[in-house]
Amino acid sequence: SQTIHQWPATLVQPVGSPLSLECTVEGTSNPNLYWYRQAAGRGLQLLFYSVGIGQISSEVPQNLSASRPQDRQFILSSKKLLLSDSGFYLCAWRGLGLSNTGELFFGEGSRLTVL
Amino acid sequence: DAKTTQPNSMESNEEEPVHLPCNHSTISGTDYIHWYRQLPSQGPEYVIHGLTSNVNNRMASLAIAEDRKSSTLILHRATLRDAAVYYCIRFTGNQFYFGTGTSLTVIP
Repeated sequence: SQTIHQWPATLVQPVGSPLSLECTVEGTSNPNLYWYRQAAGRGLQLLFYSVGIGQISSEVPQNLSASRPQDRQFILSSKKLLLSDSGFYLCAWRGLGLSNTGELFFGEGSRLTVL
Repeated sequence: DAKTTQPNSMESNEEEPVHLPCNHSTISGTDYIHWYRQLPSQGPEYVIHGLTSNVNNRMASLAIAEDRKSSTLILHRATLRDAAVYYCIRFTGNQFYFGTGTSLTVIP
């Protein structure tokens, strides 16, 4: 069966420090991968999505970046965090073996607090 | 641009049906409508999806307007475990765009 894991689960970082959130998927090949951010009391904002290794599409200009060094690994990074980067970050995957209606499966989320 | 609009909040009594509306007036002919729900501090979970026809599954029903500019998620008998934020999403290309969702409160 397919599983998705992301870590760390919680993170408290000072302004200006770097960030690395990691997401891995098991039990599937060549998934579409997504990073979302959810600010407190808000909906989910699509940040990045990837249809393959090294292929990253950015939805919102910001100081964040994403990378996909391996088929089932998706990394969200920042060189210098801002206060506005605080939020709940969610990784998700969708199997390409399914039709275009394939559902998204989400990880457990990473809660980032920037102080 | 969330591409869908929903009421911020709704209430329902336990054991009664709930109709959660969603407007997607700019939807294109190939966009699917998905619904997800999210409990606090968890990732969203899939509820149902459809294109043109009404859809039913074990969790809910989805009624899509004939012009596809709106849809309604129907929970036939609300339980306390259905209290969550419900998101109506347009699936276009490879992207799922979430709106701000409807926070559903279920009253015992």
